[in-house]
Amino acid sequence: GENVEQHPSTLSVQEGDSAVIKCTYSDSASNYFPWYKQELGKRPQLIIDIRSNVGEKKDQRIAVTLNKTAKHFSLHITETQPEDSAVYFCASRNTGTASKLTFGTGTRLQVTL
Amino acid sequence: GAVVSQHPSWVICKSGTSVKIECRSLDFQATTMFWYRQFPKQSLMLMATSNEGSKATYEQGVEKDKFLINHASLTLSTLTVTSAHPEDSSFYICSARVGLAGQETQYFGPGTRLLVL
Repeated sequence: GENVEQHPSTLSVQEGDSAVIKCTYSDSASNYFPWYKQELGKRPQLIIDIRSNVGEKKDQRIAVTLNKTAKHFSLHITETQPEDSAVYFCASRNTGTASKLTFGTGTRLQVTL
Repeated sequence: GAVVSQHPSWVICKSGTSVKIECRSLDFQATTMFWYRQFPKQSLMLMATSNEGSKATYEQGVEKDKFLINHASLTLSTLTVTSAHPEDSSFYICSARVGLAGQETQYFGPGTRLLVL
């Protein structure tokens, strides 16, 4: 089955700096890659996603890039703010009627003042 | 985004009892819902895929007789943890898929924190 690796497991940046989280996946047939933000004790919230026919997508301070050849995708957060502090999960979804999300192990982002 | 609700938000029960968790899609119909379990500081682990009107599909290692799933309508799926034990204590989160085929997005409920004493 699909395997998703995520790095780093923890990331500390100063407010205003950029943060980058990287993920790799194993199933070349995967075609959908969402990123979720989870604050302590709360639900994962979809913050951005990208499909395999696109190489990059941006939404204000957040961007995601996808390299299908290398099977990796990255989350970029610019001008980080303290409220960006949370755990971020990448995921990939395979194709077909039994498609499902496989999650990475998560990255704990801490934005310090 | 689409709204998914979950009830209860937390539950404490004695070992051996059964607990039912409800997951509802509030503003859309969901033919497919997913149930995840998340232990502290860990990722989300898919337990099963719930399909409206048919049997759920369980992931390897998940006991279907212990975690009963019913998806009787397009807006409601339930997970029943039968004969719960302390090791079943966890954060259970449901999720629903919405959108046209090939363009689906997945939204999560707020989760249910289960503590088995």
